[in-house]
Amino acid sequence: DVKVTQSSRYLVKRTGEKVFLECVQDMDHENMFWYRQDPGLGLRLIYFSYDVKMKEKGDIPEGYSVSREKKERFSLILESASTNQTSMYLCASTFIQQGYNEQFFGPGTRLTVL
Amino acid sequence: DQQVKQNSPSLSVQEGRISILNCDYTNSMFDYFLWYKKYPAEGPTFLISISSIKDKNEDGRFTVFLNKSAKHLSLHIVPSQPGDSAVYFCAARSDSSNTGKLIFGQGTTLQVKP
Repeated sequence: DVKVTQSSRYLVKRTGEKVFLECVQDMDHENMFWYRQDPGLGLRLIYFSYDVKMKEKGDIPEGYSVSREKKERFSLILESASTNQTSMYLCASTFIQQGYNEQFFGPGTRLTVL
Repeated sequence: DQQVKQNSPSLSVQEGRISILNCDYTNSMFDYFLWYKKYPAEGPTFLISISSIKDKNEDGRFTVFLNKSAKHLSLHIVPSQPGDSAVYFCAARSDSSNTGKLIFGQGTTLQVKP
């Protein structure tokens, strides 16, 4: 079974702190994604990566950066956390293969910024 | 601009009856559609998908219908069970860039009452 793990299930940080969220997948997937989920807004793509050290902005990249130094690991960084970044953060990964579409998700990190 | 829309934030159904969840999209280039199910404090899990060349796909109690002319898809759950109570997200893929990116709707919370 594909497994996507996230470093923390719950996190509480203070405004202005630097926050690292880490995601690891064990199926050698090329592409990895970071989303945030907010009520009424669904899942919104923050950043994605299609290879080691390669990244592209999603729909809401402001206030975030990412790092992918190894294929299995994709980190989301909040340089200076703000209260409007309180959210559920979800990591996902997928193969790039003709006809293959499913993204596999981690359990999520519930981040609260005080 | 929301390319994938789920206009019903919530749906309540009696156990044993049919649940119908709807999703509309605007981009005619979408070539694949997926439904995900999400329980609280867990990541979304893949439920069922359909290619744009088909109009129906069935998997057990779950059937997805696609109406391309109306740019509309629906998920039918028959019979509904209390364990189906969750948030359901529809998602669409446009594979022009082969990134594996999905665009998600806002989600519909389904409650199945015993």
